[in-house]
Amino acid sequence: QSVLTQPPSASGTSGQRVAISCSGSSSNIGTNSLNWYYHLPGTAPKLLIYNNNQRPSGVPDRFSGSKSGTSASLAISGLQAEDEADYYCAAWDNSLNGWVFGGGTKLTVL
Amino acid sequence: EVQVLESGGGLVQPGGSLRLSCVGSGFTFSGYAMSWVRQAPGKGLEWVSAISDSGSHTYYAKSVKGRFTISRDNSKNTQYLQMNSLRAEDTAIYLCAKDLGGGAAFDVWGQGTVVTVSS
Repeated sequence: QSVLTQPPSASGTSGQRVAISCSGSSSNIGTNSLNWYYHLPGTAPKLLIYNNNQRPSGVPDRFSGSKSGTSASLAISGLQAEDEADYYCAAWDNSLNGWVFGGGTKLTVL
Repeated sequence: EVQVLESGGGLVQPGGSLRLSCVGSGFTFSGYAMSWVRQAPGKGLEWVSAISDSGSHTYYAKSVKGRFTISRDNSKNTQYLQMNSLRAEDTAIYLCAKDLGGGAAFDVWGQGTVVTVSS
């Protein structure tokens, strides 16, 4: 059972917009920044969004993040085949004194 | 190019030990905190341990505290994860991750090294 809660799966058609949610508590998302990672199993994960809504250089502006209270959301617009991957949210947890991840959301592009 | 490269994985019996290494290149290693994250077969990412840039502060997930020890040698641009009293549930791909700065996020990841705990 992950500390942060994500839907196990999401899907959309090419060109569509999809959103993935991440829910936590006051000790993690409610107090600290939220990050999103893209991961294809067997490869190195990639930082997509940091500090709730900041994109590292090289990440397309089709990816955007938002946070409100103890929840956050990753939105992907103009869905492309290469977006098919696992997406994880993560935040520092002050009670656990460590990083916590969501269980991951497998995105399928139909 | 900024990158990190893990090594040291392998097959070990329950109760055994293993030491993982992660070498960083293309950045000032001593200026960044580092972490280990693992992914068990069919499961999601799980943070394992972190160490501050100087090595003076260390942090552990509850699942490994007391069994795993993180350390670093900045003169060798390397961090380590000493894993003792290994259990079957420690079987996973262990990934090395570099901190973005200020404890913000993990901006550089390795592809991982596989640890299998089995008799």
